[in-house]
Amino acid sequence: ETGVTQTPRHLVMGMTNKKSLKCEQHLGHNAMYWYKQSAKKPLELMFVYNFKEQTENNSVPSRFSPECPNSSHLFLHLHTLQPEDSALYLCASSRANTGNTEAFFGQGTRLTVV
Amino acid sequence: TQLLEQSPQFLSIQEGENLTVYCNSSSVFSSLQWYRQEPGEGPVLLVTVVTGGEVKKLKRLTFQFGDARKDSSLHITAAQPGDTGLYLCAGGGGGSNYKLTFGKGTLLTVNP
Repeated sequence: ETGVTQTPRHLVMGMTNKKSLKCEQHLGHNAMYWYKQSAKKPLELMFVYNFKEQTENNSVPSRFSPECPNSSHLFLHLHTLQPEDSALYLCASSRANTGNTEAFFGQGTRLTVV
Repeated sequence: TQLLEQSPQFLSIQEGENLTVYCNSSSVFSSLQWYRQEPGEGPVLLVTVVTGGEVKKLKRLTFQFGDARKDSSLHITAAQPGDTGLYLCAGGGGGSNYKLTFGKGTLLTVNP
């Protein structure tokens, strides 16, 4: 148990569906992240939120829409995805504005787009 | 763009053997973390090193940060099947640059 909880753990969706991934952290951290992990690729940073404000969007397609209502919750809204978007989506949190960032990850959501 | 290269990419060994995996970059990092990830799970933080030349030990695992803070190594003594997993290194820029740069990882398999 790392203090970061992601739901659902597994998701299968069609290309016309709309779904959302949820992440919740109970560590008192103020930065939250969405990462995408595909086979044979490094972890890809998608979005960064610091104190609920989005501070980074790494050229992510608009079919991925993040939402951070408060510093403990992070959502990733999905719509009209493509099969190549199938991957493990990981949420992480950390204390921002410190010298040594340590990220704590959730267990991930395994997404399959059919 | 900061990049971290990990080697080897894959490593399969027998129980009881020793091994070393490497994490190299041309960039300087203020800190470097090592994570282990098991299939279907998120990465779990193992250690953070922050000082050039620093060595940290975690049971049978020894982590070293290079003097110039550009590279790191992880040495496992007498590997066990429970050590199997994807080992990821990640570099932190420090200060207001709190994002991490991850390497691709080393996939370690320890056979009984």
